[in-house]
Amino acid sequence: GDSVTQMEGPVTLSEEAFLTINCTYTATGYPSLFWYVQYPGEGLQLLLKATKADDKGSNKGFEATYRKETTSFHLEKGSVQVSDSAVYFCALSEPNSGGSNYKLTFGKGTLLTVNP
Amino acid sequence: NAGVMQNPRHLVRRRGQEARLRCSPMKGHSHVYWYRQLPEEGLKFMVYLQKENIIDESGMPKERFSAEFPKEGPSILRIQQVVRGDSAAYFCASSPPPRMNTEAFFGQGTRLTVV
Repeated sequence: GDSVTQMEGPVTLSEEAFLTINCTYTATGYPSLFWYVQYPGEGLQLLLKATKADDKGSNKGFEATYRKETTSFHLEKGSVQVSDSAVYFCALSEPNSGGSNYKLTFGKGTLLTVNP
Repeated sequence: NAGVMQNPRHLVRRRGQEARLRCSPMKGHSHVYWYRQLPEEGLKFMVYLQKENIIDESGMPKERFSAEFPKEGPSILRIQQVVRGDSAAYFCASSPPPRMNTEAFFGQGTRLTVV
């Protein structure tokens, strides 16, 4: 079945440091890939997504590129801020026979703490 | 526009009691999904419901767990005769009718602790 493996946390960085959170996946078909973020005390929010190979998703300075050859979707940001402290989840979904892809498969999450 | 509302945020139950978790979808959303996050694990899909219909319950445990989404009112995830292993965070998400890449919006979750 489908699975997502992401970098174990926690990750602690100083402000303005470069961030990479690795994510690799296993899927039977052609999944869409997502990064979700969960800020303290809040629900999951979609951060960015990519729906086909070589697509780059980007939002709020974060980027991730859909790499089919390495089955990866690593999250990067060039200069993190204290406000980026949160849990980050990598996820995938595959289309079902009806053409929708509502079922998400998540990684375990990576806790990022950014210190001033 | 209020987001997905889950209540309670925290729920403590003794072994053998029933737990009822509620989820009110975003306005205009008629599709609801429940996920469970066990300690040290990622979120796992449990069930997908439309109003008055269960569409996919492939992730629901076979016993003690049930879900409904009535014509009126919130979606309810019910766990009967809770055991310690049911302690987890339960997240609800909602969306319009899902097509390719429809975004689902998540609630803040209900953290169930069984003592």
